[in-house]
Amino acid sequence: AQSVSQHNHHVILSEAASLELGCNYSYGGTVNLFWYVQYPGQHLQLLLKYFSGDPLVKGIKGFEAEFIKSKFSFNLRKPSVQWSDTAEYFCAVKEGNTGKLIFGQGTTLQVKP
Amino acid sequence: DVKVTQSSRYLVKRTGEKVFLECVQDMDHENMFWYRQDPGLGLRLIYFSYDVKMKEKGDIPEGYSVSREKKERFSLILESASTNQTSMYLCASSFRHTSYEQYFGPGTRLTVT
Repeated sequence: AQSVSQHNHHVILSEAASLELGCNYSYGGTVNLFWYVQYPGQHLQLLLKYFSGDPLVKGIKGFEAEFIKSKFSFNLRKPSVQWSDTAEYFCAVKEGNTGKLIFGQGTTLQVKP
Repeated sequence: DVKVTQSSRYLVKRTGEKVFLECVQDMDHENMFWYRQDPGLGLRLIYFSYDVKMKEKGDIPEGYSVSREKKERFSLILESASTNQTSMYLCASSFRHTSYEQYFGPGTRLTVT
């Protein structure tokens, strides 16, 4: 079965610093990949997704992610974080054809003003 | 806008009580999901349903059951609540064969005392 690993559990950055959150999935083939964000007190919402085509995917709020097939990775990036980016971030991969998503353990990002 | 609503934001129940958590979506999605979210463990799938009256076990179904009598409604049942079921419960929905993007409800914080 597919699995997802997020290497950074807790990241603390100052405003304007660059962000990269790691995400690796366990096996290849055709994959659909997602990054979700959960702001404090809010529900999970989609940041961006990759289905096919350009491996560099742009999402909301200035986030982007790069799909590297050879590394089984889908890392999330943002050039300059803001205090409002403080949240928990989840990487997910679709498993099979039922629509199930497998989620990583999550990364808590704390941005200091 | 897709709306996924959950019956309660906060719930406190006693050990041994039967607990019902309800989820309703308004996007005619075939798939519906129940997860529990615990710190450091990410989202773990309890059950999902890909059609009315259909259900499949997720990764942690023990101690839970589900019901889907109508397409828009998916209920999670704790037959006899225990303290280790204290958690945040998230409902989500998605289309079955396209997009696979899951839309989440606000969550129910359940405390079992």
